[in-house]
Amino acid sequence: GAVVSQHPSRVICKSGTSVKIECRSLDFQATTMFWYRQFPKQSLMLMATSNEGSKATYEQGVEKDKFLINHASLTLSTLTVTSAHPEDSSFYICSAPPGLADNEQFFGPGTRLTVL
Amino acid sequence: AQSVTQPDIHITVSEGASLELRCNYSYGATPYLFWYVQSPGQGLQLLLKYFSGDTLVQGIKGFEAEFKRSQSSFNLRKPSVHWSDAAEYFCAVGARNNDMRFGAGTRLTVKP
Repeated sequence: GAVVSQHPSRVICKSGTSVKIECRSLDFQATTMFWYRQFPKQSLMLMATSNEGSKATYEQGVEKDKFLINHASLTLSTLTVTSAHPEDSSFYICSAPPGLADNEQFFGPGTRLTVL
Repeated sequence: AQSVTQPDIHITVSEGASLELRCNYSYGATPYLFWYVQSPGQGLQLLLKYFSGDTLVQGIKGFEAEFKRSQSSFNLRKPSVHWSDAAEYFCAVGARNNDMRFGAGTRLTVKP
């Protein structure tokens, strides 16, 4: 089946630094990828839709200058958390639809970000 | 806009007992519906999905779900729960543009 990978799986950084998270579709091309955020013991919240070759679409309340998304190729989307602060600590999950008619998405394993 | 409600935050069942996790959705057209399971610190695993056709769908690990349009529900069931089923379960609804909205999740605890 389709596989989506994320790197790194876990990252700890100091407040004020920037962190880049990669999301790759390993055996299919994805013109669209999605970035979700999950706080402890909470559900996944859609942050933004990453579109290959064009600007990302952000959900209401998500700061696009803080969460930079780049979808440079059909298999790679990156999320950069700029000037990270402790409140940005969360579990970030990406997903990609393999283009099937039933709208299924494949999820990456997630990236645990801890900002000290 | 689509939304999903999972009324039960936490459910505890005994091993071997039956299980039903509730999910209600709000969506203007025929929804794409999904159930995912998440173990602590892990990503999501798809259990089953409903797109169209037979309203009773079978999934992995012995799970099934029934789509009831009249009740706007997509409840997940399993006839006999195993200790390894303890996890967080998310119901989700998808839209035509492929983004998904998740319910708040139901945490399942399995008693020996």
